[in-house]
Amino acid sequence: GENVEQHPSTLSVQEGDSAVIKCTYSDSASNYFPWYKQELGKRPQLIIDIRSNVGEKKDQRIAVTLNKTAKHFSLHITETQPEDSAVYFCAASNGDFGNEKLTFGTGTRLTIIP
Amino acid sequence: EAQVTQNPRYLITVTGKKLTVTCSQNMNHEYMSWYRQDPGLGLRQIYYSMNVEVTDKGDVPEGYKVSRKEKRNFPLILESPSPNQTSLYFCASSPWTESSEQYFGPGTRLTVT
Repeated sequence: GENVEQHPSTLSVQEGDSAVIKCTYSDSASNYFPWYKQELGKRPQLIIDIRSNVGEKKDQRIAVTLNKTAKHFSLHITETQPEDSAVYFCAASNGDFGNEKLTFGTGTRLTIIP
Repeated sequence: EAQVTQNPRYLITVTGKKLTVTCSQNMNHEYMSWYRQDPGLGLRQIYYSMNVEVTDKGDVPEGYKVSRKEKRNFPLILESPSPNQTSLYFCASSPWTESSEQYFGPGTRLTVT
C-alpha cells in the first residue's frame, strides 16, 4: 500500500519568514495530494490540494509543488503569521475520484515565533 | 448549517464492552470515512464508504466494523474494544467534486481501560 513520509516533524519559523514542509510517497499511481491544517483541539481542514496533472498550485500565501518523477510534494507558506501555527498533514490518494483511500503523513507541528 | 456530527464526543469504557460511535452528515455527500489520530502517527484511515451499502477497508481496519445503510450515517462499531484502540477518532465526508475536500467531524476521544 501507499506510504507517505513527512518532514520535518517540528518547525519553528520567525514571523514573516517562509516555511516549507516536504512529503514523499511510494505509490506511483497516486494522483491526488491534499494538505490539511489542524489547529490545537480542532478538526483537520483542507488548505490546498493538487492533482498529478499539475506541477504547482498557489492560493495567496500558500503554494504546493509536485514532482511526480521523484514522488515528492511540498507545502510552501510565505510571509508567515501567528495564525499559521498548527499541525500540517500531507496526504496521498489514488482512484477515479482522488480520495477513495487516503494515506496521511505523520504531521508537522509549525510554530510561528512573533 | 452544513456539518458532520459525531457522538459521543468523549467516551471512557472497559475492555470488551461493545460500543458504537455515530457519524452523521447533512450535506448529501456520497463519501464518508473514519480515521484515528494517535501522537506521532498522524491520521490513519480505518474504513471508508463511497456510497450506501459500499464500504472498504482503510489502512487500519482490524477491530472495527462499519455500516452504511443510509447516505447520511456511517457508524463505527467496536465489537470488543481493547486498550490499543484508545485514540481520537474523526469521521469525514466528501462530495464527488473536483476538489475532493473531506469535511471532518469534531472528533471522539475514546479511552479503553
